[in-house]
Amino acid sequence: AQSVTQLGSHVSVSEGALVLLRCNYSSSVPPYLFWYVQYPNQGLQLLLKYTSAATLVKGINGFEAEFKKSETSFHLTKPSAHMSDAAEYFCAVSDSPFGNEKLTFGTGTRLTIIP
Amino acid sequence: GAVVSQHPSRVICKSGTSVKIECRSLDFQATTMFWYRQFPKQSLMLMATSNEGSKATYEQGVEKDKFLINHASLTLSTLTVASAHPEDSSFYICSAKGWEAPNYGYTFGSGTRLTVV
Repeated sequence: AQSVTQLGSHVSVSEGALVLLRCNYSSSVPPYLFWYVQYPNQGLQLLLKYTSAATLVKGINGFEAEFKKSETSFHLTKPSAHMSDAAEYFCAVSDSPFGNEKLTFGTGTRLTIIP
Repeated sequence: GAVVSQHPSRVICKSGTSVKIECRSLDFQATTMFWYRQFPKQSLMLMATSNEGSKATYEQGVEKDKFLINHASLTLSTLTVASAHPEDSSFYICSAKGWEAPNYGYTFGSGTRLTVV
């Protein structure tokens, strides 16, 4: 069975500071990993995905994530936080590179940006 | 890009009534629809998966007689919460997959906030 663990249910950073949201995965098969963002009362928007190509994945809104097999991690980063980044972030794992089979989500991390 | 329209965005109903939530794929044919439930400050839990023209496959612990899923066409799937009760209050989100847009992967609807009073 596949699973992801997001460390830290709530992260606060100052505007302009580095954003680091942690995600560790567990999978018996090569995983395909995703990061989604959710704004209040809205659906999920795909930020980026890892599909076994480059280990450093660049996504939208300046976010990127690095797949580290040795650490079973897929942490999300952004060099400089913006107020508009305040949202809930979910890491997810699938056995399909397109994320069109069953997705298993982490518990989410709420990102707060301090002005 | 692929768009999934979900309606209503918010609904308040009385206990014992039924509520229907619709998800439409606007620019692709959704061969598979996933329905999720999200409790406040929690993650998304998959409720069921439906393929067009077939019966939905429910996850363990989800009552199929309470959460009725219909996926009769390639552009429309509905979730009906039958005889809703306050404990059914939650945020429901659909997600669609289509053959024409495999690279889109999941396309999520904007969600429905259900409040049962």
